[in-house]
Amino acid sequence: GAVVSQHPSWVICKSGTSVKIECRSLDFQATTMFWYRQFPKQSLMLMATSNEGSKATYEQGVEKDKFLINHASLTLSTLTVTSAHPEDSSFYICSARASGSSYEQYFGPGTRLTVT
Amino acid sequence: QKEVEQDPGPLSVPEGAIVSLNCTYSNSAFQYFMWYRQYSRKGPELLMYTYSSGNKEDGRFTAQVDKSSKYISLFIRDSQPSDSATYLCADQGFQKLVFGTGTRLLVSP
Repeated sequence: GAVVSQHPSWVICKSGTSVKIECRSLDFQATTMFWYRQFPKQSLMLMATSNEGSKATYEQGVEKDKFLINHASLTLSTLTVTSAHPEDSSFYICSARASGSSYEQYFGPGTRLTVT
Repeated sequence: QKEVEQDPGPLSVPEGAIVSLNCTYSNSAFQYFMWYRQYSRKGPELLMYTYSSGNKEDGRFTAQVDKSSKYISLFIRDSQPSDSATYLCADQGFQKLVFGTGTRLLVSP
């Protein structure tokens, strides 16, 4: 149980284009989902927290107009990187917290984004 | 001062050794403490979590929390090459996890 999937697992895009990453909780309902960014050999940096049906809460320093988050259902959240640039190349990981749980988060396998 | 401090390693041990991984934290409001294992280019996998002080054991893994000194530990007995990964401690802050930088563990056969 408690499986989170991400799609795609790896994407290459050209500078200036937009990329959408999907995060799904496969066997549980997730009221809250989180998006993280991880650079090589560094820890996870929380970008934003999204609650189903409401606007995402972004961490300080994260551009909400660049990283669009939509959490339209209890099993799906999407992150869209708009007008991507090479510095946006990174490993993006989502996690989901089950409805009714106060602390356990289950992570997806991550999406590697390369912007050329 | 970072909220959660962790030695990045790498920590190299021979197969069969007992491994000790440690974190310190600064926010006394933290209540839940987790250990995640992350293989290269994969998402973190929850290994163990503890609430408040004390020990928790699961197979070869033991998690220990000492709230008086704000110190959390993960012990791995009979370490295996498959344990080679980065281990992240995380503390539950208000509505979100706060991660340490992770310790890279290398277990050689």
